[in-house]
Amino acid sequence: DIVMTQSPLSLPVTPGEPASISCRSSQSLLHTNGYNYLHWYLQKPGQSPQLLIYLGSNRPSGVPDRFSGSGSGTDFTLKISRVAAEDVGVYYCMEALLIPYNFGQGTKLEIK
Amino acid sequence: QVQLQESGPGLVRPSQTLSLTCTVSGDSISSGSYYWTWIRQPAGRRLEWIGRFYTRGSTNYNPSLKSRVTISLDTSKNQFSLKLTSVTAADTAVYYCARDLSDWSNAFHIWGQGTMVTVSS
Repeated sequence: DIVMTQSPLSLPVTPGEPASISCRSSQSLLHTNGYNYLHWYLQKPGQSPQLLIYLGSNRPSGVPDRFSGSGSGTDFTLKISRVAAEDVGVYYCMEALLIPYNFGQGTKLEIK
Repeated sequence: QVQLQESGPGLVRPSQTLSLTCTVSGDSISSGSYYWTWIRQPAGRRLEWIGRFYTRGSTNYNPSLKSRVTISLDTSKNQFSLKLTSVTAADTAVYYCARDLSDWSNAFHIWGQGTMVTVSS
């Protein structure tokens, strides 16, 4: 199985400031099709997870452009350019290359 | 707009079978090429992928659960279901159904609201 490791696990942020979450995988997530099979989800309090970034750096429609994803191989980063109050919740990375798909431990973002 | 809704018993006795249904609205479950997936989240723990059913007929399961899990589609009811046999307290979790963005992305784009299942006598 591919092991996913996130850091930090807790992230207090002042509104308007940037934030960054790291995700590392135990194996490369680069598919032969050229895409990195790494997705980011946000689980807001009391809600289901929602897809934030897919295939490393793509935003689904409706996701604000303050969210961006980067990285390749085994090292990935989720960046929020300016944190808003509604961004609080737990952020998960997930590998989608090899079954069983595995999630990271989660990073809890809170507002200072 | 496609929506998913989980349903099933909130309490299951140890050693019994957990059965959940995900009802799909807004589109036919048999249209397009998608994976219909079950994911669970024990309290305070990370999300765990359980398995999936492809509209074209194949299934994949988490090896850690494979001997106990079955996922199937009921196109007549526009539903897909999860059965997990011989449950223990470790199967207590919020269970989510989900559909991917496309059959090659493996990105869970649409989620149900989740249903809490407790395994207890």
